[in-house]
Amino acid sequence: DTGVSQDPRHKITKRGQNVTFRCDPISEHNRLYWYRQTLGQGPEFLTYFQNEAQLEKSRLLSDRFSAERPKGSFSTLEIQRTEQGDSAMYLCASSFQVQETQYFGPGTRLLVL
Amino acid sequence: DQQVKQNSPSLSVQEGRISILNCDYTNSMFDYFLWYKKYPAEGPTFLISISSIKDKNEDGRFTVFLNKSAKHLSLHIVPSQPGDSAVYFCAAKGVSGNQFYFGTGTSLTVIP
Repeated sequence: DTGVSQDPRHKITKRGQNVTFRCDPISEHNRLYWYRQTLGQGPEFLTYFQNEAQLEKSRLLSDRFSAERPKGSFSTLEIQRTEQGDSAMYLCASSFQVQETQYFGPGTRLLVL
Repeated sequence: DQQVKQNSPSLSVQEGRISILNCDYTNSMFDYFLWYKKYPAEGPTFLISISSIKDKNEDGRFTVFLNKSAKHLSLHIVPSQPGDSAVYFCAAKGVSGNQFYFGTGTSLTVIP
């Protein structure tokens, strides 16, 4: 399977704990995006990497959120001191530079108790 | 501020008939548009795209129409099949932007 993969698929955590999600993009794609989706809403942009450089961050990305893409391949999204409002589906997408279409992974569903 | 709107939360269509899903946007700088299909517990799957230099794009049973003056696009599915039952999202991107703005989705049910 050469699609975008995400791990874990589900995460349940207690408020105040830290969580980290991983995304592996399609191998030749140099752009990687993180989105968050809550019930009844479409995906909302969080941040974007071109290779290892984080080029854009949404104001939705509070100081508790940090994303990395150290070698321009996989990426991690960490949420520190989780809050119940962080409960959502976290989606990763990738694209190739000269193309516009973003291809999504299956998402990580986070539940903060 | 919702820049991309899908005003119909749900739509039911008989198998074999046409499904028309609508999307409106407010930002005149948007120049690239996508439609995604999403099944429960899965990520969105790309369906079809259109750039602002076109007003129509077809791919098999799926056709997207773009009306720039009305800031409106629509997705036509003909003929509709039960496997098309899913949530459909439209998304738009600006000329110089990197992020897509998504609508809230329309849940399509195709009745056998």
